[in-house]
Amino acid sequence: GAGVSQTPSNKVTEKGKYVELRCDPISGHTALYWYRQSLGQGPEFLIYFQGTGAADDSGLPNDRFFAVRPEGSVSTLKIQRTERGDSAVYLCASSLTSGSSYEQYFGPGTRLTVT
Amino acid sequence: AQSVTQLDSQVPVFEEAPVELRCNYSSSVSVYLFWYVQYPNQGLQLLLKYLSGSTLVKGINGFEAEFNKSQTSFHLRKPSVHISDTAEYFCAVSEQGGSEKLVFGKGTKLTVNP
Repeated sequence: GAGVSQTPSNKVTEKGKYVELRCDPISGHTALYWYRQSLGQGPEFLIYFQGTGAADDSGLPNDRFFAVRPEGSVSTLKIQRTERGDSAVYLCASSLTSGSSYEQYFGPGTRLTVT
Repeated sequence: AQSVTQLDSQVPVFEEAPVELRCNYSSSVSVYLFWYVQYPNQGLQLLLKYLSGSTLVKGINGFEAEFNKSQTSFHLRKPSVHISDTAEYFCAVSEQGGSEKLVFGKGTKLTVNP
């Protein structure tokens, strides 16, 4: 079946601009996660949704970052007033439900470059 | 809070040799443990996980890992590697009863040479 998909695969934007990154989870997966992976580092947790609500947003670095999941499926990560330090690969993952097999299925990521 | 240390950033080995990728973690609470693999230009894929029970866990592609609570380690091993095992390997933990978020190490780049 289809895995987690993320669009766009690459995004180049200028400093100060607004960007939206989209994640389509595996159908039927109620849990959705966003991570950020900087060069040479492991993925870093940003936010976790259970259904439509953000169950844990402790990883969002500041108020320029915001994520939504209005219908409990597709999620959008929104970054305002982008900075060069926001350049990274943004990963999305989904799982069947919280506390099930604990397996998160990852998408290929969106590479964001802020110039 | 949890943290994960992968002691080797790069591990070069020859084909058919055994390999061990080291992972140590720190946590004040009980954790679940995971190894993920990232092949070039692909997403992260789960290799294996430890949730409870037997401390020796077998995963896909012939990999296994052993949970050692006293040493807070979860080292990944394979007795004979193939060229196709060349990839980045990430160790991760999540807090039992917590928010499900994964805390990753910085990764180990395994390069298998002919």
